[in-house]
Amino acid sequence: DADVTQTPRNRITKTGKRIMLECSQTKGHDRMYWYRQDPGLGLRLIYYSFDVKDINKGEISDGYSVSRQAQAKFSLSLESAIPNQTALYFCATSDPGTGTYEQYFGPGTRLTVT
Amino acid sequence: AQSVAQPEDQVNVAEGNPLTVKCTYSVSGNPYLFWYVQYPNRGLQFLLKYITGDNLVKGSYGFEAEFNKSQTSFHLKKPSALVSDSALYFCAVRDTTSGTYKYIFGTGTRLKVLA
Repeated sequence: DADVTQTPRNRITKTGKRIMLECSQTKGHDRMYWYRQDPGLGLRLIYYSFDVKDINKGEISDGYSVSRQAQAKFSLSLESAIPNQTALYFCATSDPGTGTYEQYFGPGTRLTVT
Repeated sequence: AQSVAQPEDQVNVAEGNPLTVKCTYSVSGNPYLFWYVQYPNRGLQFLLKYITGDNLVKGSYGFEAEFNKSQTSFHLKKPSALVSDSALYFCAVRDTTSGTYKYIFGTGTRLKVLA
């Protein structure tokens, strides 16, 4: 997990606030992903990026935006947080170009929107 | 559409007994299949994968999984369970046909190993 870090680890915010979750990786992987985890729903993809100039929406991108500032950094923003965005958020990386098809996950950010 | 199903929300097994966590998939083309484990307050950790080759793949912590194409299954197994194996397990498949190369996760199975 140390190769993929996320900040903050826990965050409580109020409805309507803008919040940014940050992800950094030292694995040198090109591909980065943001997921949210909800009990009983598994992991759902929010956004993914294949490189700095290639960003794509996942299955639940509404209400979220992302920025890929560098190969190593991928940030997720909630423009106006709402309570149903309360969840555990994970960043992940992979590098199929080197045969690394599996993903490497950060430790997660627990977000609570009140 | 590509999908992954984990039919059991929870599996209980006694320590020392064999364990199986089930996963079935629905994909077009050849599947890339994965198992991950999540311990409390931690991110997901990769356990093993099937890309091609032998149907029985071995992974971390003594886990193995068997790819069965006819039954479209990729069940996770361990011959002798440990209390420390108690965790949340996710099966995943990589979408190799739509050009998106996204990963689709099952809903997870909680494994409880009883002492």
